[in-house]
Amino acid sequence: DAKTTQPPSMDCAEGRAANLPCNHSTISGNEYVYWYRQIHSQGPQYIIHGLKNNETNEMASLIITEDRKSSTLILPHATLRDTAVYYCIVRAPNYGQNFVFGPGTRLSVLP
Amino acid sequence: SQTIHQWPATLVQPVGSPLSLECTVEGTSNPNLYWYRQAAGRGLQLLFYSVGIGQISSEVPQNLSASRPQDRQFILSSKKLLLSDSGFYLCAWTGQVVSPLHFGNGTRLTVT
Repeated sequence: DAKTTQPPSMDCAEGRAANLPCNHSTISGNEYVYWYRQIHSQGPQYIIHGLKNNETNEMASLIITEDRKSSTLILPHATLRDTAVYYCIVRAPNYGQNFVFGPGTRLSVLP
Repeated sequence: SQTIHQWPATLVQPVGSPLSLECTVEGTSNPNLYWYRQAAGRGLQLLFYSVGIGQISSEVPQNLSASRPQDRQFILSSKKLLLSDSGFYLCAWTGQVVSPLHFGNGTRLTVT
């Protein structure tokens, strides 16, 4: 079972920031938070990951709360092409620890 | 840079026929390799993973099998396909430690 909880769906206006929440209240100290997205009929695409510090790359920003029990993926200026299912995953970097995907959040960017 | 190749992109097979899907990774050595399946409108289900040549772990019992004959080659097989085997099959790889998972483009299998 996935160790994360995400809202099933969200809407965002084109050009506005999309803030996707993820709850991982049982996260362990060595588990990282990873975000992926899947556009229809394609394989999931890696977005970003982090342990406890906030992270930013060319695609998005990841904000992890101080207690690490939740995080938020931020797409600063959402476009129609950002419409996808977004998955939040926690995983420890240990042998046998796999990436378990939950149902994710279906983000719809509206014109 | 690393790339992952998966083929074929689409496949239509009759019930009871065999299956062989192949996945190769370039630009890295000793990757961890994975097979996932996604049924229509459903989430991703981990089927198999491998941490080295000949080492296969199965996550769910089924009529599928996996093999890793070479370091960067991962094969998904079945002797006799069932209707319930239809779905979107994804191969993925990761390096060691905290490396993220990277997916191929997938094979859409329809069993008729």
